[in-house]
Amino acid sequence: GAVVSQHPSRVICKSGTSVKIECRSLDFQATTMFWYRQFPKQSLMLMATSNEGSKATYEQGVEKDKFLINHASLTLSTLTVTSAHPEDSSFYICSAPDQNEKLFFGSGTQLSVL
Amino acid sequence: GDSVTQMEGPVTLSEEAFLTINCTYTATGYPSLFWYVQYPGEGLQLLLKATKADDKGSNKGFEATYRKETTSFHLEKGSVQVSDSAVYFCALSFLGSSNTGKLIFGQGTTLQVKP
Repeated sequence: GAVVSQHPSRVICKSGTSVKIECRSLDFQATTMFWYRQFPKQSLMLMATSNEGSKATYEQGVEKDKFLINHASLTLSTLTVTSAHPEDSSFYICSAPDQNEKLFFGSGTQLSVL
Repeated sequence: GDSVTQMEGPVTLSEEAFLTINCTYTATGYPSLFWYVQYPGEGLQLLLKATKADDKGSNKGFEATYRKETTSFHLEKGSVQVSDSAVYFCALSFLGSSNTGKLIFGQGTTLQVKP
């Protein structure tokens, strides 16, 4: 079946550094991908919708300049957390719909900023 | 705004016990409702869904009924197994409104089943 691969699964970085998270659709093309964030004991919240070949659409309250999204191909979307700070520590997860609009999720990335 | 609330976890059960994970929602309009499951080290997978009131979704022995009058979508299983240990997410979406993928999730409930 369809698979979405997300890397890395866990990253620890120093405050002020940038972290890139990749989301790949392995056996289908995804013109759209979704990025979610989950803080401890809270819901998964949609951050942005990544659109292949065009700008991402960000949800209200999500800083575009802090969370850079690039969807350069039909199988890859990246989320870069720029100048990460401890408050950015969270669980990030991507998803992509296949041609039948069935959603597939990556396994998530646990980001810890020291 | 629209929201989903799940019971807090973790839920710890013995094998073959009955499972209920409560989920209630707040929404303007008539959403579709979902249960997703995340096994350790894997991505979220759709477990079951219901698209209108009184619909019952079922899969792998799990079931949930869309209750409009109580705005609930509680997940149940008659006899859990150790392999059911996972995190369960309740979610809603307004399908057919070009919002595929715009899911509103609950906070997740961790289920631990002991042999």
